[in-house]
Amino acid sequence: KAGVTQTPRYLIKTRGQQVTLSCSPISGHRSVSWYQQTPGQGLQFLFEYFSETQRNKGNFPGRFSGRQFSNSRSEMNVSTLELGDSALYLCASSGDTPYEQYFGPGTRLTVT
Amino acid sequence: AQRVTQPEKLLSVFKGAPVELKCNYSYSGSPELFWYVQYSRQRLQLLLRHISRESIKGFTADLNKGETSFHLKKPFAQEEDSAMYYCALIWEKLTFGTGTRLTIIP
Repeated sequence: KAGVTQTPRYLIKTRGQQVTLSCSPISGHRSVSWYQQTPGQGLQFLFEYFSETQRNKGNFPGRFSGRQFSNSRSEMNVSTLELGDSALYLCASSGDTPYEQYFGPGTRLTVT
Repeated sequence: AQRVTQPEKLLSVFKGAPVELKCNYSYSGSPELFWYVQYSRQRLQLLLRHISRESIKGFTADLNKGETSFHLKKPFAQEEDSAMYYCALIWEKLTFGTGTRLTIIP
């Protein structure tokens, strides 16, 4: 099976802009979760989508949003970018066992 | 709310010495706990879960409800164990600790 893929792998944006990140889960996985990884905060949960519905949400401002399509692919959007949004954004998919998450390589977002 | 604490950001251990990565949690129910690992230039992946009570790559972890801990242990460290280790707890969502970077000194 192909692993979780994320595009783009690297992104440089300017403060105030918006960005959309994409994640393709492992075939057959219906749950997709997004995490923000930074050296100071570690891995922080953003949200989880299951069958096109947001199932769980972390403690991030409304500038962070996501969606999931009928083929389970997911996108994450960040509007009005701030310098502090610079991070590695990880996507993970899971199947029948929600704790066993398969992670993608991440998208490195740099906000200048 | 659930919380996972890994008190050590960095841990260096000599090859052949025992390894213990600490993890404490706060959770009001019956927790399900896991260890994830990220080797250099590889993706984050599941190492082990407490329910399975198995040993993976020589690592074991015992859930101690009295001390609310789930420390990861290995009796003899190997160089290939150098990695970033995350303790995680699941209840509705997976909550990760801040991670411990383990370095094995040859």
